[in-house]
Amino acid sequence: GQQLNQSPQSMFIQEGEDVSMNCTSSSIFNTWLWYKQDPGEGPVLLIALYKAGELTSNGRLTAQFGITRKDSFLNISASIPSDVGIYFCAGLPYSGAGSYQLTFGKGTKLSVIP
Amino acid sequence: DAGITQSPRHKVTETGTPVTLRCHQTENHRYMYWYRQDPGHGLRLIHYSYGVKDTDKGEVSDGYSVSRSKTEDFLLTLESATSSQTSVYFCAIRGVGQDQNEQFFGPGTRLTVL
Repeated sequence: GQQLNQSPQSMFIQEGEDVSMNCTSSSIFNTWLWYKQDPGEGPVLLIALYKAGELTSNGRLTAQFGITRKDSFLNISASIPSDVGIYFCAGLPYSGAGSYQLTFGKGTKLSVIP
Repeated sequence: DAGITQSPRHKVTETGTPVTLRCHQTENHRYMYWYRQDPGHGLRLIHYSYGVKDTDKGEVSDGYSVSRSKTEDFLLTLESATSSQTSVYFCAIRGVGQDQNEQFFGPGTRLTVL
């Protein structure tokens, strides 16, 4: 099936630094989603993107829907310890199959050093 | 809060025994999904449902069956558990209206097959 390439796989940053991560695909998507997962819990939706070029913020988080429809980016500004977790991207293929099956990236594990 | 609960939250069982995991939602969502999450693989779709008694296979359906006799409950059954089915299982529901391209996850069930 389709795959999303998410990078980096992991990152260690100092508190207060900005973070960037991205997802790329060989196929076109019509929706991009970004989730965060804390240990022992389910993924929580952070940001949803619906239009190519769209830039959406949620507090210190900003995500963008790439112009080509094949990529998306998530930025976290001024990181704090509670940003620790695994961030997943997910996309809904442009074919929009009736099952509405998402394709997921494998995640970026973020560690914040106080 | 998408009103999703999963039970049990943790289970340890032995190879060859049947296991049923339950997903319960309180908001009458039509679409429900079962995923498994494993290191290095991310989230993979097992089965999904698009209504009462309407289900279909996902990417990794072998060894699993599902049932949906009521809108609010989606059951995942491992007919004869194997060690390769040790994983964390997540249920998700598809949003409605302007959220229809989004999925919202339950808290997960950690299953260990000895």
